[in-house]
Amino acid sequence: RKEVEQDPGPFNVPEGATVAFNCTYSNSASQSFFWYRQDCRKEPKLLMSVYSSGNEDGRFTAQLNRASQYISLLIRDSKLSDSATYLCVVIRGATGNQFYFGTGTSLTVIP
Amino acid sequence: EPEVTQTPSHQVTQMGQEVILRCVPISNHLYFYWYRQILGQKVEFLVSFYNNEISEKSEIFDDQFSVERPDGSNFTLKIRSTKLEDSAMYFCASSEWIYTGELFFGEGSRLTVL
Repeated sequence: RKEVEQDPGPFNVPEGATVAFNCTYSNSASQSFFWYRQDCRKEPKLLMSVYSSGNEDGRFTAQLNRASQYISLLIRDSKLSDSATYLCVVIRGATGNQFYFGTGTSLTVIP
Repeated sequence: EPEVTQTPSHQVTQMGQEVILRCVPISNHLYFYWYRQILGQKVEFLVSFYNNEISEKSEIFDDQFSVERPDGSNFTLKIRSTKLEDSAMYFCASSEWIYTGELFFGEGSRLTVL
């Protein structure tokens, strides 16, 4: 079973729509969780951390469900500039140094 | 804004040749990483480096790979004898703290092995 699994999409949504991505992780010992964004042929960039209590940053909301071992990302009022691949990232290593990346979910926001 | 820089941006090499990819992490960061991404696939962890030694490595990081911090600024990845399947984008990353989750990635070095 993969460490981190994501629906690859693609998700094609109109501007202004709300879209949600889920990600599951296999190891219950996983410690920290993040969403990264990767534009085509570019490097990943941190979008937001995911906390047990849930957290919000503007139009973006992240949730963690440890019991079911999944994290989610909700994007409200989608913008064209949100078009990218969203990567779920989990830290499991004993030293906290090993980040596991999901394959990413592709989002295209359509005018 | 401080950034991680990588060179070269693209390297083409023949199978069996040695390749060195270079990275300059953000100056006050203590933890350094190499990741790779084969086209269309996920970002894969290769190795992490702290205090001048490898702290973790993945099963991908076999004997043909090595890392070095030859001076106070550069962090290098060497592939001793490249294979076709080494063709990928190699990302260097650094972080200020352990467990922080915020990795700062360089723009990547695309390696093409012919």
